[in-house]
Parts: sequence; C-alpha cells; structure tokens
Amino acid sequence: KNEVEQSPQNLTAQEGEFITINCSYSVGISALHWLQQHPGGGIVSLFMLSSGKKKHGRLIATINIQEKHSSLHITASHPRDSAVYICAVTGVAGNQFYFGTGTSLTVIP
Amino acid sequence: NAGVMQNPRHLVRRRGQEARLRCSPMKGHSHVYWYRQLPEEGLKFMVYLQKENIIDESGMPKERFSAEFPKEGPSILRIQQVVRGDSAAYFCASSGQGDTEAFFGQGTRLTVV
Repeated sequence: KNEVEQSPQNLTAQEGEFITINCSYSVGISALHWLQQHPGGGIVSLFMLSSGKKKHGRLIATINIQEKHSSLHITASHPRDSAVYICAVTGVAGNQFYFGTGTSLTVIP
Repeated sequence: NAGVMQNPRHLVRRRGQEARLRCSPMKGHSHVYWYRQLPEEGLKFMVYLQKENIIDESGMPKERFSAEFPKEGPSILRIQQVVRGDSAAYFCASSGQGDTEAFFGQGTRLTVV
C-alpha cells in the first residue's frame, strides 16, 4: 500500500466547473505539498501546508491532520488547468518525500 | 534568484554508456533530492544529499547508480552502463537548512536507445 493515495486517478471536467482532488496519507508528516506537472514539463509546487487552508487565485488547498486527508480545489476551471496534480508529503524527519501517483485533469472548453 | 536548474533537459544514451545528470540547487539551498519518474508511474524518491554527504540513499538502485553533491558545483546523478529500463524523467529538488518546502527543477528526460 502506498503511503499517499490520491483520487480520482483521472478527471475530465467542463470549463467553469468546480474541481476537487483528494489525498489521503498513512504516515506522520511535517508538511503536505500539492504539485502540478504539465505534459512534457517540469514540476511546480502549488502549495505547502501543515494545517488549515491556503488559497492562491482559483486554487484552494485544505488539510485535516487528524483525518490525514487533504483536498485541492480548483474554482472556475479552465483548459490551462489541464495537468497532472500530485500530492506529496514530507515525513516527520523532514528528509524524504512520499508521492501520490497523481491525478490527471483534463478541462474541456 | 534562479530556480533549481537541471541539465541537460533531454539526454539520449546508447545501452552501456554512462549518463550524467546535473542539478544546481537554488541559491542558498544546501539540501538536494533526486527523484525518478518512470513512464506511466509516479515519482519515486532516490537519494537525499547535503553538501559532501549522502544522507539517505534508500531509493537508489544498488548497482550502477551513484550521486554526489560536492562542496562546489552542482549535484551529479550518475548512471553507469545504462539499460533501457533507466529511461525516465529524473527530477531534482532543493531546500534550505531547516526548510520542509522544496523547489523542483524542470527535470532531465533520459532516453536509452
């Protein structure tokens, strides 16, 4: 079993829809990260959070430490949001990342 | 402040050759992590280094792979006698002392032919 589980694996949405990607983890963490990877591109760190909620433009990330769960929300989705979104956690020692397998999002105009 | 720089972006090697992947961390960062993303798979941790020290190499294959982060210059991931199964995207990330936030490079896509 992976330390980090994401759902769904694949997601197709119409432009303008509200999108939620979920992440559950089974290890103790010092931080959780949401990453974005475009096809053929590098990885961009969207959020790092250890509690509560963060917002950046149309993106919102929340984390519930007790339930070991995080969600990434995209409001008013746009085709340029199409990418793979990866949840990753930093272990308590702070020296290793555990990655989810990613959620492939396609937003259709 | 330039981000994490990886080069080359694309690397083609014949079976049996050596591949050298370079990662220059963000200015001021002393921690470097290497990850591999095999086709159709997620990212997997390979090795964590600080300057002149390997801290955790639990994700490194036992043979042919090595990594270093010298006092001066970039971190190097070296793959000797490459095989087709080494074809993957290799990502580097860096962080500062005491930071848990890491910044990723654009990756090096290795193709073994």
